[in-house]
Amino acid sequence: SQQGEEDPQALSIQEGENATMNCSYKTSINNLQWYRQNSGRGLVHLILIRSNEREKHSGRLRVTLDTSKKSSSLLITASRAADTASYFCATSSTGGSRLTFGEGTQLTVNP
Amino acid sequence: DTEVTQTPKHLVMGMTNKKSLKCEQHMGHRAMYWYKQKAKKPPELMFVYSYEKLSINESVPSRFSPECPNSSLLNLHLHALQPEDSALYLCASSQPLSAGELFFGEGSRLTVL
Repeated sequence: SQQGEEDPQALSIQEGENATMNCSYKTSINNLQWYRQNSGRGLVHLILIRSNEREKHSGRLRVTLDTSKKSSSLLITASRAADTASYFCATSSTGGSRLTFGEGTQLTVNP
Repeated sequence: DTEVTQTPKHLVMGMTNKKSLKCEQHMGHRAMYWYKQKAKKPPELMFVYSYEKLSINESVPSRFSPECPNSSLLNLHLHALQPEDSALYLCASSQPLSAGELFFGEGSRLTVL
């Protein structure tokens, strides 16, 4: 079964606004990762947060993890048109090496 | 620029053809992966190789045959595919099964006629 589910499925914002995407998962995890995919391209790793971490920052990205709610959020601040892409969360289960991707959020940033 | 190189970028084949997808990485990673991705869907894991040995096969039909000739190369041999196998095939690599970051190639877009 799919480990992660994301919402919203699609998000359209104006340049300069913040974008927030959410991910929920079902089982205990080792870590949670976020990836970005431009249309028809490969995935690019953005950030990894371990199960014992609650928040992590990388540039304009902020990721939170709430293991009690089995959920994570990705915040992109001061969005740019170049941030237009699909964003996927991916979870690695405790004791496992399999990385399972959520359904993804399609982000469109309008100039 | 990605450090995982996939060839070809595009492939069109008939249902009776035999073709191969190739993947190469020079990051010293000892785990390599094949994922399949349909349009507007997340990548789905197909195979995982760890130290050149197949460690995970996600019940993939035998018309897909993976091969890992050495630590830098990963192939996916295709034979007697169906039109529903048309998809983007993504190769990835990582440190050996560390559950850490995956490095993806740009993918091979496969169309089966």
